[in-house]
Amino acid sequence: AQTVTQSQPEMSVQEAETVTLSCTYDTSENNYYLFWYKQPPSRQMILVIRQEAYKQQNATENRFSVNFQKAAKSFSLKISDSQLGDTAMYFCAFMDPDAGGTSYGKLTFGQGTILTVHP
Amino acid sequence: NAGVMQNPRHLVRRRGQEARLRCSPMKGHSHVYWYRQLPEEGLKFMVYLQKENIIDESGMPKERFSAEFPKEGPSILRIQQVVRGDSAAYFCASSPSKGQGVNEQYFGPGTRLTVT
Repeated sequence: AQTVTQSQPEMSVQEAETVTLSCTYDTSENNYYLFWYKQPPSRQMILVIRQEAYKQQNATENRFSVNFQKAAKSFSLKISDSQLGDTAMYFCAFMDPDAGGTSYGKLTFGQGTILTVHP
Repeated sequence: NAGVMQNPRHLVRRRGQEARLRCSPMKGHSHVYWYRQLPEEGLKFMVYLQKENIIDESGMPKERFSAEFPKEGPSILRIQQVVRGDSAAYFCASSPSKGQGVNEQYFGPGTRLTVT
């Protein structure tokens, strides 16, 4: 079974600065997807960014980018020019899209990192 | 295109009562997933359904919990004889079929169940 570990329960950053959230995972699969979700106080789960494991290029979405190290099974999220609205819980998630049919699409989440952006 | 809808948003039940949580997937989506988030924890997979079929229920507790996704109408997560430990946020997500590319899941706003 896959596992996802986020070793930072809480992080804080000053507005306009850069912060990196860590995520490691364990799998024996070669083809999979990784995601970062944001959960603000409203509790709505919002997809921030995704990475396909077969792609070497790191995904980027505006101020959000990832550092995907497949060999090390590491998938960190970098937030540049942090904004107050970035304050939220961030979850790293793993998906194996080819897992024997029955597990198709199932997301495995990490424990989450609470990010606070200070003015 | 409306997003994933869940209702109710908040549900209070006394111990021993039944809880019914509803999820309407996005238009055109035929895959539904239910996740549970206990306080201060990440989301845990419960069950994966397609129309009229349960594909994977490996995350569902063996007793008191059931789920369905009928041909017509929303998906229902049903919890019988609720206990305090069932208090959590329950999230539904939907996705299009596999043939349409990466199985990206879109989440509803969740139902917060409180058992008193």
